[in-house]
Amino acid sequence: QKEVEQNSGPLSVPEGAIASLNCTYSDRGSQSFFWYRQYSGKSPELIMFIYSNGDKEDGRFTAQLNKASQYVSLLIRDSQPSDSATYLCAVNSPTGTASKLTFGTGTRLQVTL
Amino acid sequence: EAGVTQSPTHLIKTRGQQATLRCSPISGHTSVYWYQQALGLGLQFLLWYDEGEERNRGNFPPRFSGRQFPNYSSELNVNALELEDSALYLCASSRGARGYTFGSGTRLTVV
Repeated sequence: QKEVEQNSGPLSVPEGAIASLNCTYSDRGSQSFFWYRQYSGKSPELIMFIYSNGDKEDGRFTAQLNKASQYVSLLIRDSQPSDSATYLCAVNSPTGTASKLTFGTGTRLQVTL
Repeated sequence: EAGVTQSPTHLIKTRGQQATLRCSPISGHTSVYWYQQALGLGLQFLLWYDEGEERNRGNFPPRFSGRQFPNYSSELNVNALELEDSALYLCASSRGARGYTFGSGTRLTVV
């Protein structure tokens, strides 16, 4: 079982719709969770992080965390073509190396006109 | 505030040669991480340095090595280059567990 799993996509949503990106993780001791956006040929950019169960909103982005289900998601409201990118979920690795993040393979999002 | 800087941007090497990649973290960040991203693949963890010490190492052969200098900048060395080492090498820095900030990467091509 992979430590952090994401559906590779592509996830295709029309402009203006809500995009929902999902991530599951295997280690129940994980403490912090991050979403990165990566445009093709570019480096990942941090867009959201969440530590506590529930929702965290920042502009058009909402991160949702459910530690009991080991599930974290990212919602993008009013999706724009510029949101088309690969979204990487990252989880803080708790095994004595608190600062190390483990990344999923990413979900490619396509926002269509 | 200057971001994470990596050099060179592109590097072309011949199989069997050595490559050296450099990274300067954000001021105040003591941890530096190296990741490999082969074309179309996810981020594979290589090395983590903090306060000059190697803290963790990913599942890569010993010909991948590095170090962190007193000013927290870091170097990644890849010896005996193989064709499959061709990838984007990303450096990131952090302070504590607040997530990483990535540099723009070094594109290594082995021919």
